[in-house]
Amino acid sequence: DAKTTQPTSMDCAEGRAANLPCNHSTISGNEYVYWYRQIHSQGPQYIIHGLKNNETNEMASLIITEDRKSSTLILPHATLRDTAVYYCIVREFTGGGNKLTFGTGTQLKVEL
Amino acid sequence: GAVVSQHPSRVICKSGTSVKIECRSLDFQATTMFWYRQFPKQSLMLMATSNEGSKATYEQGVEKDKFLINHASLTLSTLTVTSAHPEDSSFYICSARDPRLAGGPDTQYFGPGTRLTVL
Repeated sequence: DAKTTQPTSMDCAEGRAANLPCNHSTISGNEYVYWYRQIHSQGPQYIIHGLKNNETNEMASLIITEDRKSSTLILPHATLRDTAVYYCIVREFTGGGNKLTFGTGTQLKVEL
Repeated sequence: GAVVSQHPSRVICKSGTSVKIECRSLDFQATTMFWYRQFPKQSLMLMATSNEGSKATYEQGVEKDKFLINHASLTLSTLTVTSAHPEDSSFYICSARDPRLAGGPDTQYFGPGTRLTVL
């Protein structure tokens, strides 16, 4: 699976959009971008995933560059409860139950 | 939907004893379950992958005789830490996947984790 690079930490004011970048310059054509987050002392939570097109769900939006070498997770109106470590993971979509490889992620701190 | 539970949430045991952790998918059938371990201030590390009805596949460096995994049904997997020692103290997290769920076939849904402390 392709390796990802994320900033170690970011701060965001409550109510503002949080934009979390992820570089995955070695991503291959059949690899998807997944985002999970982990609130302190809890299990990770699935947020969103995509291949080429931008995606949006009730939690967030995922913007993938045209060359697919990077992506941005957008939390449109961050709240204090969005404070968590956000993991960007790229992996092949094989349907065979392949493992997720977690990096160090980005610690997002949402403040008043 | 897509709720995964773990039991217990926290356990303290003496060195040398065995501890069993349960992972259940509450509202879906999990064809594959995964077990992770997370040490303080570190990321999740996959320990093993188990498919219902077959033997688990362990990651390199994980002792299969020490961390016994059973996935006897589509809704339950157990991890038993045998002869636990203080260095086994960690946050153990399971996840489950069901290709029929929204989020895609490879989406994993995680349990809340079990904090193991070995004295």
